[in-house]
Amino acid sequence: AQSVTQPDIHITVSEGASLELRCNYSYGATPYLFWYVQSPGQGLQLLLKYFSGDTLVQGIKGFEAEFKRSQSSFNLRKPSVHWSDAAEYFCAVSGIGGANNLFFGTGTRLTVIP
Amino acid sequence: EAGVAQSPRYKIIEKRQSVAFWCNPISGHATLYWYQQILGQGPKLLIQFQNNGVVDDSQLPKDRFSAERLKGVDSTLKIQPAKLEDSAVYLCASSLEVGRAFFGQGTRLTVV
Repeated sequence: AQSVTQPDIHITVSEGASLELRCNYSYGATPYLFWYVQSPGQGLQLLLKYFSGDTLVQGIKGFEAEFKRSQSSFNLRKPSVHWSDAAEYFCAVSGIGGANNLFFGTGTRLTVIP
Repeated sequence: EAGVAQSPRYKIIEKRQSVAFWCNPISGHATLYWYQQILGQGPKLLIQFQNNGVVDDSQLPKDRFSAERLKGVDSTLKIQPAKLEDSAVYLCASSLEVGRAFFGQGTRLTVV
């Protein structure tokens, strides 16, 4: 079945520590890949996107993600987490069947401790 | 640039009642999405419009949910009759390019 999987429901990191959030997809072809962030009281916001080309993509707020075709993964990383990064993070895919659709994973909640 | 507007922000209804949500997308965005986000879960796509035509409504419970997009701009999502399990945040988003969707603040529906 086609799916987007985020294995970690909740992650806690210390401020200043590095962060990696996992995302795996299961589709016949490589879809377009995205990371969105949902902060408390705010709407979903696009962090970064991958369509093709360079497998390491840079996003806003110091985030980056790496596409690994062999692992069907698109993990989100940040070298040094700030307290304001505490939020819910969603991996998403688009382009399934050529349509401008957009499907989300189940999300990972990030808690940042001082 | 104005964002995606949704109303109301909050709604509490009793089961079996009806409710409607309204969305005004960003001007010029041809694609409009409605998502249902149950607490602790990711957004689930209910329906996708391209202009005023439906592209995907495979996950819309059509026996109780309906949606329309007026003249390819504003959209309404209706639930009739509501069930307890419909309690969720209903998100509207619009898009001009693949995957880059702009989301509204959502409508939090509580069915009691």
